[in-house]
Amino acid sequence: SQTIHQWPATLVQPVGSPLSLECTVEGTSNPNLYWYRQAAGRGLQLLFYSVGIGQISSEVPQNLSASRPQDRQFILSSKKLLLSDSGFYLCAWSARGWRGRNHEQYFGPGTRLTVT
Amino acid sequence: GQQVMQIPQYQHVQEGEDFTTYCNSSTTLSNIQWYKQRPGGHPVFLIQLVKSGEVKKQKRLTFQFGEAKKNSSLHITATQTTDVGTYFCAGLGSTDKLIFGTGTRLQVFP
Repeated sequence: SQTIHQWPATLVQPVGSPLSLECTVEGTSNPNLYWYRQAAGRGLQLLFYSVGIGQISSEVPQNLSASRPQDRQFILSSKKLLLSDSGFYLCAWSARGWRGRNHEQYFGPGTRLTVT
Repeated sequence: GQQVMQIPQYQHVQEGEDFTTYCNSSTTLSNIQWYKQRPGGHPVFLIQLVKSGEVKKQKRLTFQFGEAKKNSSLHITATQTTDVGTYFCAGLGSTDKLIFGTGTRLQVFP
């Protein structure tokens, strides 16, 4: 069965510090991978998605970046965190279909980031 | 850009009462998915609707996709405390990406 891991579960970082969040998927190959951010009590904002190694699409201009060094590994990074980067970061995967359509997304447990 | 709105934003009900959340898209959708997020948890996929006018049931939950494929609803009959959480719809539109709705937070009082 497929499993998605995210770490760390919680993180408190000062403003201006770097960030690296990791997401790995097990039990599937060639998944589409996604990074979302959820502010407290709000909806899901798509940050990045990837359809393959080294292929990253950015949805929202910001000081975050993403990389996919391996097929089932997705990393979210920042060189200098801002207060507004606080939130709940969720990684998700979906099966690759025709142009990636019509497949549900499976979410990881998330990372709660507080920037102080 | 494409937007998916949900109403209401919050709903408090007494256990045993029914609950409905509505999802409306600014554009026609290829399909609609529904997710549930428990407090402190992550979204979990519930169901996908593809056909115009489609209705699907999961025990006490009834999902409907509008005839024009621009709206959807989730109805829960006789809510239970285990139904507490935020319900999101998510639509697949012309951009080939899933757009999540704003969510409806359900609170059920025993």
